[in-house]
Amino acid sequence: DVKVTQSSRYLVKRTGEKVFLECVQDMDHENMFWYRQDPGLGLRLIYFSYDVKMKEKGDIPEGYSVSREKKERFSLILESASTNQTSMYLCATRRGSLYYGYTFGSGTRLTVV
Amino acid sequence: GQQVMQIPQYQHVQEGEDFTTYCNSSTTLSNIQWYKQRPGGHPVFLIQLVKSGEVKKQKRLTFQFGEAKKNSSLHITATQTTDVGTYFCASQGGSEKLVFGKGTKLTVNP
Repeated sequence: DVKVTQSSRYLVKRTGEKVFLECVQDMDHENMFWYRQDPGLGLRLIYFSYDVKMKEKGDIPEGYSVSREKKERFSLILESASTNQTSMYLCATRRGSLYYGYTFGSGTRLTVV
Repeated sequence: GQQVMQIPQYQHVQEGEDFTTYCNSSTTLSNIQWYKQRPGGHPVFLIQLVKSGEVKKQKRLTFQFGEAKKNSSLHITATQTTDVGTYFCASQGGSEKLVFGKGTKLTVNP
């Protein structure tokens, strides 16, 4: 089974802090994704990457950046955390072809105070 | 961009009743995927449909893809308490993006 590991299950950060959310996968999947999930808004794509050092903006990239220096690791960075970034953050991976399902990590519940 | 609309938003059933959630799009979909998210959990991939009119079954779950590839449904026969959760449909948008519906939250009264 593919394992997608997110470094923290719960995280509390202060407004203005720089926040790093880490995601590591162990199955050599090319594609990695960061979503945030909010009640009533569903899953929204922040950024994705289809190869090392490659990144593409999703639907809501503002306030976020990403890093993919190694194939297995995809990091989401909140440059200056704000309270409206309080959310559940989900990392996902997928094999190269479009027609495979996504495997999600367990999520990081981030609270910005 | 491509959107998938999912209804209903919530569904409450008695254990043993059937349940259906629907996913609709104004544009032709290349594929449809279904996910289940248990309370407190993360989305788990259930199945993918690609062909027009395709029907797939997983035990009590039946998945359909419309003939015009603009809609899909997930039907659960005789719900059980283990079926509780939120069911999402999703479809491939442009490039690598998967677009999710907002989900149907199912609760089951034992």
